[in-house]
Amino acid sequence: SQKIEQNSEALNIQEGKTATLTCNYTNYSPAYLQWYRQDPGRGPVFLLLIRENEKEKRKERLKVTFDTTLKQSLFHITASQPADSATYLCALDFAIKAAGNKLTFGGGTRVLVKP
Amino acid sequence: DAGITQSPRHKVTETGTPVTLRCHQTENHRYMYWYRQDPGHGLRLIHYSYGVKDTDKGEVSDGYSVSRSKTEDFLLTLESATSSQTSVYFCAISLTKTNYGYTFGSGTRLTVV
Repeated sequence: SQKIEQNSEALNIQEGKTATLTCNYTNYSPAYLQWYRQDPGRGPVFLLLIRENEKEKRKERLKVTFDTTLKQSLFHITASQPADSATYLCALDFAIKAAGNKLTFGGGTRVLVKP
Repeated sequence: DAGITQSPRHKVTETGTPVTLRCHQTENHRYMYWYRQDPGHGLRLIHYSYGVKDTDKGEVSDGYSVSRSKTEDFLLTLESATSSQTSVYFCAISLTKTNYGYTFGSGTRLTVV
């Protein structure tokens, strides 16, 4: 069956360093992969979308890579700040080669940036 | 969250009673989704809609039904609530398919006692 794996252990990082999160998936290669941020008691907030033919995508201090051979996406927060502390969710569409109707989410990785 | 509202925000109900959660959007987005979020399971899709009166099941649809009679409203009904349905429920909307980010509501915390 299709599966998404994110590190369930919290990532503790010092302010100013780069946080790197991993999202691994099995079986089919999705056409799209998305990353979300979720704060306690709130709904997830969309951050970035990367397509299967894109190797890398950037938005301000965020960078996402997508390796369809390894079936892995890496999410980087550069120059991390305490305000970046949150849970980050990876989500993907298991439709093959085309956008489908629904996303499947990973369990998320909690990031704690210490001043 | 702008453009999407869930109600109620909190609800406590008794086992065996019917419960309806409402998701209302002002964005005129075609796609709407209901997820539940539980510790250790993350977000799991219950049902989704790809248009008025067009709905389909997600991975955890047993015990739930949905209706969408208008573009802006997507209702989730627990026909007979059970303790295993205690969870936080999130509604999400999307303009197009999965090549577009979702916008989530603030969630409904449901407790079944």
